[in-house]
Amino acid sequence: AQRVTQPEKLLSVFKGAPVELKCNYSYSGSPELFWYVQYSRQRLQLLLRHISRESIKGFTADLNKGETSFHLKKPFAQEEDSAMYYCALGGYQKVTFGTGTKLQVIP
Amino acid sequence: NAGVTQTPKFRILKIGQSMTLQCTQDMNHNYMYWYRQDPGMGLKLIYYSVGAGITDKGEVPNGYNVSRSTTEDFPLRLELAAPSQTSVYFCASSYTTGFYEQYFGPGTRLTVT
Repeated sequence: AQRVTQPEKLLSVFKGAPVELKCNYSYSGSPELFWYVQYSRQRLQLLLRHISRESIKGFTADLNKGETSFHLKKPFAQEEDSAMYYCALGGYQKVTFGTGTKLQVIP
Repeated sequence: NAGVTQTPKFRILKIGQSMTLQCTQDMNHNYMYWYRQDPGMGLKLIYYSVGAGITDKGEVPNGYNVSRSTTEDFPLRLELAAPSQTSVYFCASSYTTGFYEQYFGPGTRLTVT
């Protein structure tokens, strides 16, 4: 069965501090992992996916198959990064989302 | 391209009433999904469809029904609304399988009292 775990409901950091949002997954095949972001009063949108290996808005995420993790990182948090972040695991027919982590960047 | 659109944006229902949440996409996507978002619970899949005429249950289908008569539209029907169905509902679509990016609608905030 597919499962995604985001252990932190809320993560508060100061502006300029490093950010790491944790995500662990359970999947028997080769995973396709995503990070989606939801800014206040906006719809969910894709932030990045592991296969593209892109850095979006300064965020990166590395797939670690040994630890079954896909943590989202940014070296210096900005106030505009405050949002809800969802880790997601793609499967053949559907996507499983984690419970989300609210990132609060304190000025 | 409007992407994924949902109507209405807000709705208040009384217990026992019924309603249909509309979802339309103009990207010619085969796959469409309905999620509910409860505080602290993330997104839960209600129903999904892999093409016109094909639907299947997700994690939390009880109390809901769907149909997919066209590629563009994927309405969600609530029968006999209950307070437990108070939530924000999101429709999403993707080109094909769950290995592809999902595009979300703006959501419908539903309150059942």
